[in-house]
Amino acid sequence: QKEVEQNSGPLSVPEGAIASLNCTYSDRGSQSFFWYRQYSGKSPELIMFIYSNGDKEDGRFTAQLNKASQYVSLLIRDSQPSDSATYLCAVNRYGNKLVFGAGTILRVKS
Amino acid sequence: SAVISQKPSRDICQRGTSLTIQCQVDSQVTMMFWYRQQPGQSLTLIATANQGSEATYESGFVIDKFPISRPNLTFSTLTVSNMSPEDSSIYLCSVVTADYGYTFGSGTRLTVV
Repeated sequence: QKEVEQNSGPLSVPEGAIASLNCTYSDRGSQSFFWYRQYSGKSPELIMFIYSNGDKEDGRFTAQLNKASQYVSLLIRDSQPSDSATYLCAVNRYGNKLVFGAGTILRVKS
Repeated sequence: SAVISQKPSRDICQRGTSLTIQCQVDSQVTMMFWYRQQPGQSLTLIATANQGSEATYESGFVIDKFPISRPNLTFSTLTVSNMSPEDSSIYLCSVVTADYGYTFGSGTRLTVV
């Protein structure tokens, strides 16, 4: 079992819709969870992080964490074509190291 | 978050040679990380570089192949040694700051021919 798992996609949504990206992790001791966006040919950029159960909102983005289910998700409201990218879920483990999932490709169709 | 200057941004190298990648951070940071991103893949941690001590390598990565230096709290280098085409990847450095911000450099796109 991979430490961090994501559906590779691509996930296609129409412009203006809600995009839902999901991630599961295997280490119950994980404390912090991160969502990164990576455009083709660019380095990852942090969207948001979460470490408490529940929802965390930042603009059009909402991260949801359920530690009991070992599940973290990212919702993107009012999706725009500029949101088309690969979204990487990452989990912080011992030593402040980030372990990344394989990433989900999101395509927003105008 | 910290600002990282990484260079070179890209290079094409002959097999059997070595390339040294540099990362300069605009603030002092305790931990720096080096990642590899192979074509179409996600990021894989190579090693953690702490100032004043030897780097800690992840499984599958060895110091002879990827020697790392960390002479101070704002700078680190990663060398890819004795390169083969399988080393063609994007190499990224990353730092973590006290506010849990993990920031990445712009990456080095390496092609080995």
